[in-house]
Amino acid sequence: GAVVSQHPSRVICKSGTSVKIECRSLDFQATTMFWYRQFPKQSLMLMATSNEGSKATYEQGVEKDKFLINHASLTLSTLTVTSAHPEDSSFYICSARASVPYNEQFFGPGTRLTVL
Amino acid sequence: SQELEQSPQSLIVQEGKNLTINCTSSKTLYGLYWYKQKYGEGLIFLMMLQKGGEEKSHEKITAKLDEKKQQSSLHITASQPSHAGIYLCGAHLYDMRFGAGTRLTVKP
Repeated sequence: GAVVSQHPSRVICKSGTSVKIECRSLDFQATTMFWYRQFPKQSLMLMATSNEGSKATYEQGVEKDKFLINHASLTLSTLTVTSAHPEDSSFYICSARASVPYNEQFFGPGTRLTVL
Repeated sequence: SQELEQSPQSLIVQEGKNLTINCTSSKTLYGLYWYKQKYGEGLIFLMMLQKGGEEKSHEKITAKLDEKKQQSSLHITASQPSHAGIYLCGAHLYDMRFGAGTRLTVKP
């Protein structure tokens, strides 16, 4: 199957700093990428959807100014957590959807963010 | 939006026992996915069901989608400690949404 990578896999940062997480589709072009967040003992919750070259669409309750998403190319999307706080500590998973076959969605391995 | 309810939320079984996890949708499912995960790790794709009445098996895991395409079940036969983890059902129209997950513990 198609491969989606995320970098970094783990990051620890101080409160107030910004953290960037990269999501790459390695062997296919992803017209749409999705960002999910998962808190301990909870399921994955969709944060936002991004289409290459356009602004991301955020789910209700997700602050777009805090979670900046850039989908600059068909193989790369980035999520920047700005002015991170301890409550932002979570597991972030990206997903990419290939143009063909439509609706196939592939998931990255996730990034564990810890904000001290 | 698609809403998926999973049950049970958690399950503890003795090794060797069979178990079933259910996933119910508020809308007709056009694609139902089952994943396994351990928190802090990525999703492991198990199976995808599309057709009403469809059933797929892989090793000791069988997934079914009912005729109305609103309910799916995941059945594990003769469970092993390696089956432990979080099982998530997911479905999408445009983006993938997940059920709350079922945390499975298998006692040796």
